[in-house]
Amino acid sequence: DVKVTQSSRYLVKRTGEKVFLECVQDMDHENMFWYRQDPGLGLRLIYFSYDVKMKEKGDIPEGYSVSREKKERFSLILESASTNQTSMYLCASRKPGHMGSRIGYTFGSGTRLTVV
Amino acid sequence: ELKVEQNPLFLSMQEGKNYTIYCNYSTTSDRLYWYRQDPGKSLESLFVLLSNGAVKQEGRLMASLDTKARLSTLHITAAVHDLSATYFCAVDNNSNYQLIWGAGTKLIIKP
Repeated sequence: DVKVTQSSRYLVKRTGEKVFLECVQDMDHENMFWYRQDPGLGLRLIYFSYDVKMKEKGDIPEGYSVSREKKERFSLILESASTNQTSMYLCASRKPGHMGSRIGYTFGSGTRLTVV
Repeated sequence: ELKVEQNPLFLSMQEGKNYTIYCNYSTTSDRLYWYRQDPGKSLESLFVLLSNGAVKQEGRLMASLDTKARLSTLHITAAVHDLSATYFCAVDNNSNYQLIWGAGTKLIIKP
């Protein structure tokens, strides 16, 4: 089974810190995604990457950046963390095309980030 | 713009009962996904529905897709407490790589 691993389950950071959230997948998937999930707001797409060194803004990219230097790793960066970025962050990956549509997205276990 | 609506958003039911969660979407798509999320946990893939009339079943859950009506249903048969979770549907946006998500249905099954 494809595995998507997020480096931290829980994080507490201070306002203004630079925060790195790491996501690694082991099934050679081209597409990777970062979402945040907040009560009452559902899942919102922050950034996605359809291949190495490629990145596209999602619905709420402000305050975030991403890096995809290797196919298996997709990093989400909070340049200067703020309290309104306290949230659950979910990474997902998918193989595009026919196989990807038959499998769907595979999610990591999530990182609950608290900014104080 | 593709929009996905789920209803109900909250459902409390007794064990042993049947119920259906509905997922409507606004524009053409031929790929629909159902996910389950337990409190504080990530999302688990349940079903991928790829064509009109597709029906998939796993245990007490059955999902179907009607692309003409732009409607998917998730039917729960003889509910048990272990099925308590939040269920999301998501639809592939045919023009890019994104999934468009429903708001989720929080299902509580009481013994």
